[in-house]
Amino acid sequence: DQQVKQNSPSLSVQEGRISILNCDYTNSMFDYFLWYKKYPAEGPTFLISISSIKDKNEDGRFTVFLNKSAKHLSLHIVPSQPGDSAVYFCAAHDGRGSTLGRLYFGRGTQLTVWP
Amino acid sequence: ETGVTQTPRHLVMGMTNKKSLKCEQHLGHNAMYWYKQSAKKPLELMFVYNFKEQTENNSVPSRFSPECPNSSHLFLHLHTLQPEDSALYLCASSQELTGQGYEQYFGPGTRLTVT
Repeated sequence: DQQVKQNSPSLSVQEGRISILNCDYTNSMFDYFLWYKKYPAEGPTFLISISSIKDKNEDGRFTVFLNKSAKHLSLHIVPSQPGDSAVYFCAAHDGRGSTLGRLYFGRGTQLTVWP
Repeated sequence: ETGVTQTPRHLVMGMTNKKSLKCEQHLGHNAMYWYKQSAKKPLELMFVYNFKEQTENNSVPSRFSPECPNSSHLFLHLHTLQPEDSALYLCASSQELTGQGYEQYFGPGTRLTVT
């Protein structure tokens, strides 16, 4: 049973426009959420995170929004650039002590930014 | 070397071979992880080591055997693998502090092919 879901396997956006990547989760004990970016032949790279006590976190072109009541988070990239083309993974941390450090990952969304 | 390094980057082995994957983190972290990434599947956590002690074994077959001699090094010993074990194996590390961020930092991965 997958606790973190990214229902869109791919997204294509024109350069300069906004990219919105979505993620849904089922576990109400998740206390921290992260987005990772992955290029081919490389490991995932941490991008941005948000605590469950917040609803928005912004870092440059990247903003993550959290809607706890809907168990939904999204990553906004604006403006999108061709170098943003990568697979984006949503991850969530289970706050219970026995699983300290465990992250649950979605399947990823392939973002393609075209000129 | 900086960050998290993994060797080898690519490995082809027969089902009767024995091989080992190596991971080293240069970040001063106290927790290390092994993940498996198969095509079209989310990242699967295999093992967690916290302060050199294994804290989680996520129902991984015994043909995978982890070793963590110190907080900077992590090995994954492989023997009598099956073709379905072919995947990208990722190592990660993090600094475990309750209430702090839970970012994990990944190595580039080892692409394993079992023939």
